[in-house]
Amino acid sequence: DGGITQSPKYLFRKEGQNVTLSCEQNLNHDAMYWYRQDPGQGLRLIYYSQIVNDFQKGDIAEGYSVSREKKESFPLTVTSAQKNPTAFYLCASSAGLAGGPPAKNIQYFGAGTRLSVL
Amino acid sequence: AQKITQTQPGMFVQEKEAVTLDCTYDTSDPSYGLFWYKQPSSGEMIFLIYQGSYDQQNATEGRYSLNFQKARKSANLVISASQLGDSAMYFCAMREAPPYNQGGKLIFGQGTELSVKP
Repeated sequence: DGGITQSPKYLFRKEGQNVTLSCEQNLNHDAMYWYRQDPGQGLRLIYYSQIVNDFQKGDIAEGYSVSREKKESFPLTVTSAQKNPTAFYLCASSAGLAGGPPAKNIQYFGAGTRLSVL
Repeated sequence: AQKITQTQPGMFVQEKEAVTLDCTYDTSDPSYGLFWYKQPSSGEMIFLIYQGSYDQQNATEGRYSLNFQKARKSANLVISASQLGDSAMYFCAMREAPPYNQGGKLIFGQGTELSVKP
C-alpha cells in the first residue's frame, strides 16, 4: 500500500527538549512538505523539499529544522527555540515537477502527529 | 493579504441533500490550481478535487463538484446526496505556479466544519 506514514501519532515535549517527528513516503515522490495546524485554523508551511539533499524554509520555519538525506524520508525536529510547539503537524508529498502542470501537483498527506508540551 | 477565504465556519445539512461550501481566492498569477481537502476528526487531510485555472469545465469527482467562477474568483465545493460520513472539516487551498510559487506550497483557507444530520 502506497502512502505517507507519520510517527508517532502523539508526542510530548518537555521544556528545553528537542523532539523529532518522522515522515516516510513510498509514493516515489520528489517533493515533501511539513505543515503546522493550530486549532480552528488552516495549515501553514514550515519547510519543504523538492529534491534530496535540498530544502527551503516555509512561512513559519523559526524553531524548526529538517533534513532530506533520502527520497523517502523528511524528518522534522522541533527545537527548544520553538516556544509554542503545541500543534498538529502534517507531512505531505507530491510528485514535484514530474507531476504534470506546475499548479496541479496534488499533495497527499499523512495522518499527522499531535505534539503537546508537558 | 488573505489569499483564500472561507466565510462559513460551520454548516449543517440534512442527510441526502446537497450542500455548497464557499471559497474565494486572490491571486495575480494567471496559472494556478484550486484544491479541496476533507479533514475528518482523525486528522488526516484527504484530497477531494482539483480545478486548474485554465480548465474549461468544472471539475467533478463522484459526489463532489467544483463550481468554478473565474471572474468572481470563487471555487465553491458542491457535495451532492450528503452522507453521515461527510461530516468533517473542509479546506479550500490554492497553489500558484512558478515563478509566483517556487516551492509549490499550498495556501489554505480557515476551513468549514460540515455536520450532516440524519
